[in-house]
Amino acid sequence: GESVGLHLPTLSVQEGDNSIINCAYSNSASDYFIWYKQESGKGPQFIIDIRSNMDKRQGQRVTVLLNKTVKHLSLQIAATQPGDSAVYFCAEIHDNQGGKLIFGQGTELSVKP
Amino acid sequence: EAQVTQNPRYLITVTGKKLTVTCSQNMNHEYMSWYRQDPGLGLRQIYYSMNVEVTDKGDVPEGYKVSRKEKRNFPLILESPSPNQTSLYFCASRQTGGARLGPQHFGDGTRLSIL
Repeated sequence: GESVGLHLPTLSVQEGDNSIINCAYSNSASDYFIWYKQESGKGPQFIIDIRSNMDKRQGQRVTVLLNKTVKHLSLQIAATQPGDSAVYFCAEIHDNQGGKLIFGQGTELSVKP
Repeated sequence: EAQVTQNPRYLITVTGKKLTVTCSQNMNHEYMSWYRQDPGLGLRQIYYSMNVEVTDKGDVPEGYKVSRKEKRNFPLILESPSPNQTSLYFCASRQTGGARLGPQHFGDGTRLSIL
């Protein structure tokens, strides 16, 4: 069935290092992908998105890479800071299916000072 | 400020006592949705609405109802809550379709405990 999953449930990095969070998806027809950050006690917060006709998109300290050949998505965070500690979810949308958002399980990022 | 507002944020209640969780967004979004988040199961969609008076079941609709009488509001109704509905609930909204496709914006969640 359709699924979006994450390779690693937890990731621990040193402050100042770069972080890479990976995600695999199974539906090649997905139109749109999003990375969310969820801090304790809060709802998922949008970080960055990418459409299926793109390979790479950059934001402030974050980059999303999309490899449609192997159905892989990654989030790169440059110069990771303690405030980046959170759970990160990838999600995909099938816009021709009522905009259904399918979430992965999440990766918990822990930043060590 | 653009936001999705849920109320209440926390609720402890008993089995069978009807409850409503309200959700309101101020972004004029057509699409609204409810999710529940459970450990090990991630976020699962309960119901969604593409626009006023249009609602559809998500992946886990059993035991829930919704309504969409106005664009900004999308309440979640538990007619007869049961303990297996104890969870963290999120409401979300976004624009819909084609060139206006955008990310869903989430509220800060409602933690329900059904005893």
